[in-house]
Amino acid sequence: GIQVEQSPPDLILQEGANSTLRCNFSDSVNNLQWFHQNPWGQLINLFYIPSGTKQNGRLSATTVATERYSLLYISSSQTTDSGVYFCAVNRDDKIIFGKGTRLHILP
Amino acid sequence: ETGVTQTPRHLVMGMTNKKSLKCEQHLGHNAMYWYKQSAKKPLELMFVYSLEERVENNSVPSRFSPECPNSSHLFLHLHTLQPEDSALYLCASSQAAVPGNQPQHFGDGTRLSIL
Repeated sequence: GIQVEQSPPDLILQEGANSTLRCNFSDSVNNLQWFHQNPWGQLINLFYIPSGTKQNGRLSATTVATERYSLLYISSSQTTDSGVYFCAVNRDDKIIFGKGTRLHILP
Repeated sequence: ETGVTQTPRHLVMGMTNKKSLKCEQHLGHNAMYWYKQSAKKPLELMFVYSLEERVENNSVPSRFSPECPNSSHLFLHLHTLQPEDSALYLCASSQAAVPGNQPQHFGDGTRLSIL
């Protein structure tokens, strides 16, 4: 089946820093979503982005479907950005999640 | 507030107990989902319901039994669980029944511990 790989697995940054999270997938997909799971387990949908670029405040995402990857950019990180960031792809009526990138923002 | 409410938030049960997890969505969505998140593993889709009909069952053991009485409520009935079933169980909803075809909105999850 399709493989979803996220990198890096862990990331520790100082508050105010910028970061780029990557999601690679092994085959063509219909859709891609980015989620943020905070330290309390709450999972929030960040972007629904099968292709192109979207921005929401300090966050933006770009998906290049032809090259099978997506990037999530976080600028001017805040401690509330800490948590795990998942990407999930949809293919053949299945949704597959990556293992996530664990982000820790230091005050 | 995501519009999807799960209860209880935490549950500790023995292997011989029977309990139920509840999920309620206030978003007017047509589809609801159960996910399992185990430690150090990706989220796993367990069940999908569209308009109260089950449309997906990802080879989940029969000790997990879902129920969807209407499009706003989803239950997960648990009985004779195993220690490896300890995990965070997340409920989600979306407009469409195909996972990923529409943005999904998640509840806060129920953290289940099996003694």
